Amino acid sequence: KNQVEQSPQSLIILEGKNCTLQCNYTVSPFSNLRWYKQDTGRGPVSLTIMTFSENTKSNGRYTATLDADTKQSSLHITASQLSDSASYICVVSANTGGFKTIFGAGTRLFVKA
Amino acid sequence: GAGVSQSPSNKVTEKGKDVELRCDPISGHTALYWYRQSLGQGLEFLIYFQGNSAPDKSGLPSDRFSAERTGGSVSTLTIQRTQQEDSAVYLCASSLGGAPENEQFFGPGTRLTVL
Repeated sequence: KNQVEQSPQSLIILEGKNCTLQCNYTVSPFSNLRWYKQDTGRGPVSLTIMTFSENTKSNGRYTATLDADTKQSSLHITASQLSDSASYICVVSANTGGFKTIFGAGTRLFVKA
Repeated sequence: GAGVSQSPSNKVTEKGKDVELRCDPISGHTALYWYRQSLGQGLEFLIYFQGNSAPDKSGLPSDRFSAERTGGSVSTLTIQRTQQEDSAVYLCASSLGGAPENEQFFGPGTRLTVL
């Protein structure tokens, strides 16, 4: 069964600290993995995308890693800011006909001053 | 260029009424998706349109839900005889094509409350 599991479910950190969010997936055949950021009351916005051959991708203070062998990904946020408070969603797409994109439930990050 | 827009932003309705939710995708995007997001939950896929192909309706939870996409652009999601469990945020997204590497751009959503 195609699944995407994220941990932790929620996380509270102090402004300026780093954090790492985890994503495990069983989607097959793998096409790509994206991390989305969803602010409260808004639609998700893509942060990074990685294909099978890529194992790291950065976007400013966000760095995503991918281990296609263990089917794990992480999103590392450096020097967190209050505006990083949001849900972070791991999304894995399969390389098949039709629609095959599986969304994780997300990690809710709270950054406190 | 404008992003994906959705209307209304909020909709409150009574149980048993029909509702229509609208999505205007980014111009030129051939793929359009509808999702549902309940409070504190992940996105639940509902339906996917790609060009002139038959839509993938595999995510629609019941026959009370239907969607159409006219002229390959605007889409309407219709929920008939609404139930309280239909209360959620309904998100629409569009992408340049249906290939999995194409980024989906999301609208702000319609928050539906069924009383």
